[in-house]
Amino acid sequence: EDKVVQSPLSLVVHEGDTVTLNCSYEVTNFRSLLWYKQEKKAPTFLFMLTSSGIEKKSGRLSSILDKKELFSILNITATQTGDSAVYLCAVGTQGGSEKLVFGKGTKLTVNP
Amino acid sequence: NAGVTQTPKFQVLKTGQSMTLQCAQDMNHEYMSWYRQDPGMGLRLIHYSVGAGITDQGEVPNGYNVSRSTTEDFPLRLLSAAPSQTSVYFCASRQGTSYNSPLHFGNGTRLTVT
Repeated sequence: EDKVVQSPLSLVVHEGDTVTLNCSYEVTNFRSLLWYKQEKKAPTFLFMLTSSGIEKKSGRLSSILDKKELFSILNITATQTGDSAVYLCAVGTQGGSEKLVFGKGTKLTVNP
Repeated sequence: NAGVTQTPKFQVLKTGQSMTLQCAQDMNHEYMSWYRQDPGMGLRLIHYSVGAGITDQGEVPNGYNVSRSTTEDFPLRLLSAAPSQTSVYFCASRQGTSYNSPLHFGNGTRLTVT
């Protein structure tokens, strides 16, 4: 059974801290790994990773994929209260039954 | 640019009632899908469609029906609501049919079944 596991499940930090969120996976026929940020409503897309070792970066957020060890990390530097959200990791599979398998998310709270 | 639009935002049903959750996208996306999100469970795929006239089941399809008569619309029908269907429902779409493009989500419908 395909599985995506995120850790930690929740995290509380102070503004300015750097955080690392983890996502490990076990799926057949890996195609891509995606990170989403979910505040009150719809998840919003952050990154898509398909190749190992290539960092994707957007402002203070960055992410990297390790296809050998089957995990990805999402780093947020100099956190701000606006970074408070649930961060979702999802893995897309390819083949006869293409699907996107989501982890349960990491709830990040950034206190002023 | 509306993106993915879901209606209603909130709904309360009694057990046994039926209803349709509406989803429309204006991005000409081929792929559309419905997820439910429950505390501690993550997002789970209910049904999906890779184009007009084509639908398939996801991970948790029981109790739900879908149809895709146009590219833009993908309604989700609850035939006989049950308390276990209390959840937040998200519609999502993407360009193409493979996971090399990201899903775009609607703002969700919060459904309570009493």
